[in-house]
Amino acid sequence: EVQLVESGGGLVQPGRSLRLSCTASGFTFGDYAMSWVRQAPGKGLEWVGFIRSKAYGGTTEYAASVKGRFTISRDDSKSIAYLQMNSLKTEDTAVYYCTRAKQQLVPDAFDIWGQGTMVTVSS
Amino acid sequence: QSALTQPASVSGSPGQSITISCTGTSSDVGGYNYVSWYQQHPGKAPKLMIYDVSNRPSGVSNRFSGSKSGNTASLTISGLQAEDEADYYCSSYTSSSTQVFGGGTKLTVL
Repeated sequence: EVQLVESGGGLVQPGRSLRLSCTASGFTFGDYAMSWVRQAPGKGLEWVGFIRSKAYGGTTEYAASVKGRFTISRDDSKSIAYLQMNSLKTEDTAVYYCTRAKQQLVPDAFDIWGQGTMVTVSS
Repeated sequence: QSALTQPASVSGSPGQSITISCTGTSSDVGGYNYVSWYQQHPGKAPKLMIYDVSNRPSGVSNRFSGSKSGNTASLTISGLQAEDEADYYCSSYTSSSTQVFGGGTKLTVL
């Protein structure tokens, strides 16, 4: 079964850091680009960022709201994607979803979603 | 990048058809055939329903269809069923190499 499982969420103080993990199974992780999407409580979806596969340089793209603070990386040997979140703000409070991208080059459609992990930024 | 514009809510009776619009600009919806639609039931992860404007992933009912004209994309659901009641989000690739979502539309099946 194709599956994504996020972990690492929790309560963190403003200004601190947190790293989320996304463990993939059921498909060849290294062949796919991956993306993170978040959803604040009671709000809509917000795209966070995207990482291409190594075959396409493993390069990344980010939303303006997180650029310079968040970093996406991947470990294909472990089938894990990471979201490193630094300098967290209260407005980063959200459920964070890991997703598999259908396209390699651009953040287009996301066909597989994890169950999400909640991140709460509060003092 | 501003969010794409969707109606906050739409409704329809079982068996009817409804259409949800998604308006952007020439820098996103109008500039690329990279529009997607997602369905989200309460407390669940979103599900891809349409990609690249009008393509359905395997397993998605053919009652769901997508189209685009200029800067506006549309999702049409025909033969409305109770289980279609959910939130629907559009998204588009943008000229900044990012992706932007719409604000979401709550579909109520009367």
